Amino acid sequence: NAGVTQTPKFRILKIGQSMTLQCTQDMNHNYMYWYRQDPGMGLKLIYYSVGAGITDKGEVPNGYNVSRSTTEDFPLRLELAAPSQTSVYFCASSLGLAGFNEQFFGPGTRLTVL
Amino acid sequence: AQSVTQLGSHVSVSEGALVLLRCNYSSSVPPYLFWYVQYPNQGLQLLLKYTTGATLVKGINGFEAEFKKSETSFHLTKPSAHMSDAAEYFCAVSDRVDSSYKLIFGSGTRLLVRP
Repeated sequence: NAGVTQTPKFRILKIGQSMTLQCTQDMNHNYMYWYRQDPGMGLKLIYYSVGAGITDKGEVPNGYNVSRSTTEDFPLRLELAAPSQTSVYFCASSLGLAGFNEQFFGPGTRLTVL
Repeated sequence: AQSVTQLGSHVSVSEGALVLLRCNYSSSVPPYLFWYVQYPNQGLQLLLKYTTGATLVKGINGFEAEFKKSETSFHLTKPSAHMSDAAEYFCAVSDRVDSSYKLIFGSGTRLLVRP
């Protein structure tokens, strides 16, 4: 099993550009999450999904969009990139609710917006 | 809403010394508690978790943590540090948000191990 995979590993965007961060898991987990990690700030939840076709906002959703058409994939879309979105983005998945179950994390995407 | 405080953004110990990483949470209702570790350029992985029952929880790589309800703490310890323990450690607590449960992460503690 590959677990949770993310692409790309690194990306530099110009202000106003758009991009999609890809996330795929092969563990048949219903729950998937997107976090951003800023230095000294821990992880903040952007969006999450409890199954295909169901998504919901987390703590910091502004400037992002998600979709979940399959169990395996949970892409994160950035529209009109801003410098404040410079961060490391982690995708995660879990078998059940995040508050009770182990989350499995991908290796992250380091995004810089200039 | 829950909050998590990790005292010390950086902790430095000598190889073979005791490791103590502190974590306090805010709620009086015992939550589920987790410690995750992040090695350089990698995602987070679970070290250990407390749900119910025994308050001393053993995890991977010789780490353990003790849930102390009276102190609202869940400190992480390891008797003897190894160079390979150098990483960032995150404490996390479950929190009920709207109709679901989420994980609330602390800001992390970077462990440095001196030879």
